[in-house]
Order: sequence, then C-alpha cells, then structure tokens
Amino acid sequence: AQSVTQLGSHVSVSEGALVLLRCNYSSSVPPYLFWYVQYPNQGLQLLLKYTSAATLVKGINGFEAEFKKSETSFHLTKPSAHMSDAAEYFCAVSGGGGYNKLIFGAGTRLAVHP
Amino acid sequence: GAGVSQSPRYKVAKRGQDVALRCDPISGHVSLFWYQQALGQGPEFLTYFQNEAQLDKSGLPSDRFFAERPEGSVSTLKIQRTQQEDSAVYLCASSLAVGQGQPQHFGDGTRLSIL
Repeated sequence: AQSVTQLGSHVSVSEGALVLLRCNYSSSVPPYLFWYVQYPNQGLQLLLKYTSAATLVKGINGFEAEFKKSETSFHLTKPSAHMSDAAEYFCAVSGGGGYNKLIFGAGTRLAVHP
Repeated sequence: GAGVSQSPRYKVAKRGQDVALRCDPISGHVSLFWYQQALGQGPEFLTYFQNEAQLDKSGLPSDRFFAERPEGSVSTLKIQRTQQEDSAVYLCASSLAVGQGQPQHFGDGTRLSIL
C-alpha cells in the first residue's frame, strides 16, 4: 500500500533563506508523486509532480523537488523564501487503481519571518 | 468560472440533520474526487467518479455517506444523520482525464460544522 510521511509539521525560515520540506513515501509500484500548497480557507494548488521522467522536477513559484528512489524521498526546496510562501504544504502519492486517487501526508506548515 | 466550484462554503448543522454538499467540476473533466480534511490533517480520499460511474467508494466512512454524479458533471455528497465527527472540510477535485499522472484541480471546499 502507498503512504506518505512528512517530517516536521511546522517549519520556520527567514525571508530569503532556503526552504526545505521533507517527504518520504512508500509505494509497491513506481510512484507518481505530487506537492500541493494550501493557503488559508482555500483548496489545494498543484506545485509540481513527478511522473517518472526527470528526477529533478521544477514547479511553480520557484519550487523544485528531487525524486530519490534509493532514499524513497521527494523533498521540496526553494532557494529563497518569500513572505508569500507562508502556507501549508502537502506531499501526496498516487494510490494506484489507474485513476490517481491521492494519498496525502499530514502536511507541513511553513512560516516565513522577516 | 474556470475552476472547481463548491457550495456552500460553510455549513452548520445540528447533530442528526442531513446535509448535501455540491461540487461543480471544471467543464469536460472526466474524473471527480471527494476528499475529507479534518482540522490539522491532510485530505483523505472518500470516493471517485469517472463520468457518472462511481468506481471507488472505499473511503466513505459509513453508510451515512452517499455521493452521486448522475449526469457526469455536478456531484453531490450527502451525509445523513450527521455526527460531530463529521465536522471537517470537504474538498472536491476534478481532472481532465483518467490516469495516475493526471493533475487534480481542487475547489475551495465546504467547511462543515456539526453542533
């Protein structure tokens, strides 16, 4: 069965600092992996996805993630944090069945301070 | 609008009442998903439609939960005899096609509070 673990429920960085949000997955088949962002009182917005092409995936808003099979990880990074990056971030793996049922981690709340 | 629309945005009901939550997916999207997001948690899968067919309802917590998409477009999630543990945000998502790499587009959710 597929599952996702996000290490760190809260991460706080200074504006301009590196953002690193950790995600480890478990999957019995080659995984499809996603990062979503959720702003308060809104739905989820897709940041990026890994679908077995390039292992380094670039997304919107300057985010990128690297798929590492040996570490079963898909960590999200951004070189320089902006205040507007403050939000909840969710890592998800496709649950199989051919139709992309998503299994989400518990989320990481990112705070950015001046 | 071009996005997924959910209504109402907020719903307050007394324990034991029935509620109905509506989802308008993006026009032409084949796949439709419902998720439940408890406070401070990630979304959890409830059910999946491909057009009008409900292909997976394995995530529905009990037989009090029922979903339909009769014409392959608008979907309704109904909860009968609501309980306090049903309080959550209910998210609807749609995707253009079927397949594991397909990105899902989410609505803003319905926040359900059961008193």
